[in-house]
Amino acid sequence: AQTVTQSQPEMSVQEAETVTLSCTYDTSESDYYLFWYKQPPSRQMILVIRQEAYKQQNATENRFSVNFQKAAKSFSLKISDSQLGDAAMYFCAYRTPLRDDKIIFGKGTRLHILP
Amino acid sequence: GAGVSQTPSNKVTEKGKYVELRCDPISGHTALYWYRQSLGQGPEFLIYFQGTGAADDSGLPNDRFFAVRPEGSVSTLKIQRTERGDSAVYLCASSRAEGSNSPLHFGNGTRLTVT
Repeated sequence: AQTVTQSQPEMSVQEAETVTLSCTYDTSESDYYLFWYKQPPSRQMILVIRQEAYKQQNATENRFSVNFQKAAKSFSLKISDSQLGDAAMYFCAYRTPLRDDKIIFGKGTRLHILP
Repeated sequence: GAGVSQTPSNKVTEKGKYVELRCDPISGHTALYWYRQSLGQGPEFLIYFQGTGAADDSGLPNDRFFAVRPEGSVSTLKIQRTERGDSAVYLCASSRAEGSNSPLHFGNGTRLTVT
């Protein structure tokens, strides 16, 4: 069974600095999708960024980028120029194509932004 | 509506009672998912629907939990004989298609408290 591990329960970063959140996963599949979601105190899960496993190029969305290492089964999220509004829980998620569409989430990392 | 709508936003019930949680997905989204999130944890998969049928209900913890989606749109999660351990936030999400890089769009969740 697929698993997703986020080894950092909490992290803090100074405003305007850069922070990297770690995620590793375990799968025997070769084709899959990976996501990072943000959950602020409002509870709504918001998609931050996504990556297709068949793409070697790392995804980027404005200040957010990923370091996808397929062989190492690692999918870290880098947040540049951290802002106060980035404070939230961040969840890494794994999804297989077509069958067995149980999107699996990690336990999350709580990110604090220090002014 | 523009997003996934969940009602009620909060529900307090007594142990042993029956509750229904409703999810109204984004129009046109064929895939619908229910997750349960306990405090400080990541979302835990319960069930997902493709159209009207439950494609995978392997995450339902026991037979007190049941979900329906009779017309392929609105879904209801039903919990019989509630227990204190059922207290959690129940998240609903919808997606354009299963098994793809289409992201899940989440509602704000229903916080269930069993006293």
